[in-house]
Amino acid sequence: ILNVEQSPQSLHVQEGDSTNFTCSFPSSNFYALHWYRWETAKSPEALFVMTLNGDEKKKGRISATLNTKEGYSYLYIKGSQPEDSATYLCAFIGLTGGGNKLTFGTGTQLKVEL
Amino acid sequence: GAGVSQSPRYKVAKRGQDVALRCDPISGHVSLFWYQQALGQGPEFLTYFQNEAQLDKSGLPSDRFFAERPEGSVSTLKIQRTQQEDSAVYLCASSLDWALTDEQFFGPGTRLTVL
Repeated sequence: ILNVEQSPQSLHVQEGDSTNFTCSFPSSNFYALHWYRWETAKSPEALFVMTLNGDEKKKGRISATLNTKEGYSYLYIKGSQPEDSATYLCAFIGLTGGGNKLTFGTGTQLKVEL
Repeated sequence: GAGVSQSPRYKVAKRGQDVALRCDPISGHVSLFWYQQALGQGPEFLTYFQNEAQLDKSGLPSDRFFAERPEGSVSTLKIQRTQQEDSAVYLCASSLDWALTDEQFFGPGTRLTVL
């Protein structure tokens, strides 16, 4: 059984705050890590696909880093805005045994308040 | 552009009823996935199609769950004799190919409530 864990479970921040979440995953058998943003009543939206140890990706005010040796990824949001309010999900793909199905964490629910 | 669509968006069923959930993937996408998200959990894999072939159904929780994609495009997830524990959001995703790093594009989900 793969354990993909995310913390914190939920987070309330003020507009303009910077924040970060953690995704931990099995360091053995790693192939790729996906990050998604899921706003209520909408489709989950892909943010990043990360594969290389030390990788850092950026999309606007959102960035992510990857450490495959220790099995974690951080997602950072700089200067949070109310429109960033969503659930952020990470999903793991293993090198063997799972094909291309995603194993998700339980998500971090972010609420950005004015 | 057209993304992945799912219908219905919401479904209420009485325990014991059969339901059918539809997924329209992005045109030309080879791979199609179904996931189930129970309350408070992350989405969990149910089944995977490559074109019309169902290559992995290891996540289907019981033989009451059945999925098909007969022409390699639209897919239907059928649940027979629904139980309360089947209440969840059912997500469909498609990807262009079958590479492990291909982005999976998700639909908005069908929220199933079994009374």
